[in-house]
Amino acid sequence: GDSVTQMEGPVTLSEEAFLTINCTYTATGYPSLFWYVQYPGEGLQLLLKATKADDKGSNKGFEATYRKETTSFHLEKGSVQVSDSAVYFCALPSNTGKLIFGQGTTLQVKP
Amino acid sequence: EAQVTQNPRYLITVTGKKLTVTCSQNMNHEYMSWYRQDPGLGLRQIYYSMNVEVTDKGDVPEGYKVSRKEKRNFPLILESPSPNQTSLYFCASSTPGDRYNEQFFGPGTRLTVL
Repeated sequence: GDSVTQMEGPVTLSEEAFLTINCTYTATGYPSLFWYVQYPGEGLQLLLKATKADDKGSNKGFEATYRKETTSFHLEKGSVQVSDSAVYFCALPSNTGKLIFGQGTTLQVKP
Repeated sequence: EAQVTQNPRYLITVTGKKLTVTCSQNMNHEYMSWYRQDPGLGLRQIYYSMNVEVTDKGDVPEGYKVSRKEKRNFPLILESPSPNQTSLYFCASSTPGDRYNEQFFGPGTRLTVL
């Protein structure tokens, strides 16, 4: 069945460092792909999305490109801030509407 | 403001005492679902509803019930809670016809069953 695999965390970075969180997927067809973010004590928020191959989603300085050939959707940010500390989830929708999530990657950014 | 609300946000209860977690959305979404989040297991879907009076099991439905009598509400019912249902619960909603299928999440309910 469809699945999402994320790199394991936690990831600890210094402020202004470059961030990459890897995400690969297995799916039938070409579903939309999402990155959700969960800040401490809060629910999940959609960070960015891509609906077809080679689409680049971007928001708040984060970017991810839908790569059909490598079935990947890696999240990147050029310069992280302390306020980016959160848990990041890669996800894709199933045909029942359920979101299939990766395990989540905890990011901690230190000043 | 478009949102999904859940109540209560925090709940500590004892084994066997029936409880209900409410979920409401104001976006006129047809699709609603419940997830639980556990360390090392990520988010798993409990139940979902495609519309009023239409519900179906997700991946981990055992020990839970739901109902969908109105479009905006989708309560989660634990008839006889057990400690293994201690978890963080999220309600979500979306419009299935949306090509992005973006789901909007509530703030979460942290449940502890003693």
